[in-house]
Amino acid sequence: AQKITQTQPGMFVQEKEAVTLDCTYDTSDPSYGLFWYKQPSSGEMIFLIYQGSYDQQNATEGRYSLNFQKARKSANLVISASQLGDSAMYFCAMRESRGNQFYFGTGTSLTVIP
Amino acid sequence: DAMVIQNPRYQVTQFGKPVTLSCSQTLNHNVMYWYQQKSSQAPKLLFHYYDKDFNNEADTPDNFQSRRPNTSFCFLDIRSPGLGDAAMYLCATSPSGVNNEQFFGPGTRLTVL
Repeated sequence: AQKITQTQPGMFVQEKEAVTLDCTYDTSDPSYGLFWYKQPSSGEMIFLIYQGSYDQQNATEGRYSLNFQKARKSANLVISASQLGDSAMYFCAMRESRGNQFYFGTGTSLTVIP
Repeated sequence: DAMVIQNPRYQVTQFGKPVTLSCSQTLNHNVMYWYQQKSSQAPKLLFHYYDKDFNNEADTPDNFQSRRPNTSFCFLDIRSPGLGDAAMYLCATSPSGVNNEQFFGPGTRLTVL
């Protein structure tokens, strides 16, 4: 089974609007971390936000927030007030307590429309 | 600034000609990773080191080898590059621990002629 599933290959959002990028995960490890990365066309991978499995509150970092629903095993990224510079590929990833691998989803390509 | 550095940024090699990509870090992280990423796809983990312990992914071709001579440096050797090995190669580092993110280098774009 896939550890990380991103079901939206591509998304469009109007500038200044909010957008939600979906991510579901699968693990039997009670301790894990969930991460979102942004990859612009330049190719660099930029860390955006982290959510721990034991965190009670949803993570927030500026315009980024993570809608963490543990029972549903989902960790959706919410970008508020979209900007043209948000156009990029977005990857959801998970790290379990056993091992050091990061499991990546297939990514969502976000396009912000002026 | 502490960072992950990859050299070269662009590498052109000929079919079958060995090539080495390098990665260095100033973050003193104990885990280093090599990924292969093809266009519009997720990064694919090739292998990673936890300190000196080498961890090879089951589906990494034998054509790919790696060396980590010390904490700061890690090398990716492609012994006989094929056309299918043309890709972006990303190096990343992380401290161990489930709450630590990866720090990525800028990548090396490999072209095989």
